[in-house]
Amino acid sequence: AQKVTQAQTEISVVEKEDVTLDCVYETRDTTYYLFWYKQPPSGELVFLIRRNSFDEQNEISGRYSWNFQKSTSSFNFTITASQVVDSAVYFCALSATPGGYQKVTFGTGTKLQVIP
Amino acid sequence: DVKVTQSSRYLVKRTGEKVFLECVQDMDHENMFWYRQDPGLGLRLIYFSYDVKMKEKGDIPEGYSVSREKKERFSLILESASTNQTSMYLCASSLSPQRYNEQFFGPGTRLTVL
Repeated sequence: AQKVTQAQTEISVVEKEDVTLDCVYETRDTTYYLFWYKQPPSGELVFLIRRNSFDEQNEISGRYSWNFQKSTSSFNFTITASQVVDSAVYFCALSATPGGYQKVTFGTGTKLQVIP
Repeated sequence: DVKVTQSSRYLVKRTGEKVFLECVQDMDHENMFWYRQDPGLGLRLIYFSYDVKMKEKGDIPEGYSVSREKKERFSLILESASTNQTSMYLCASSLSPQRYNEQFFGPGTRLTVL
């Protein structure tokens, strides 16, 4: 069974603050991928990043960075110097192929509000 | 750009009606998915399909069925709609059944069952 936990339901920060969104996962598969998606108020989920289970290097893309730690089964997402446009719901997801086909399990999402 | 379209943004139906939600993708993707999104519950997988005429149950298939007669189209069917099926329905596609593929989502259909 796969499970993704995003314990933070809602977070509010003031613009320019840094914020970290937590993601903890469970899986029996040894090979899997982790994803982050952003859902802005318009509703359409947008892919942000993918990380495979064998690559624990952290990644930075502009103001976004991701920290993958297999030892704690976590894949956390940090936004540096947050902006109002970052306001959205963020989903962490785990993708594996337990039956030979891709199955993606999402967390419950974290709603981020950036206050100007 | 991959485009996933859903037939309606908003839909209002009555209890007991048969409801069809349509999803079309234009990038020749093999995988297609239907999720429902509810506050506090995130996205939950209803059904997915990895090929034409193939389907697999997700985590919450009860009360739903699907149809995939053509590669680009994946339909979600509520045989007899009930009020507890009021939700946001999201369709997604991915290139192939490989675990590394990201999903592309449609804008969603907000279904209200009265």
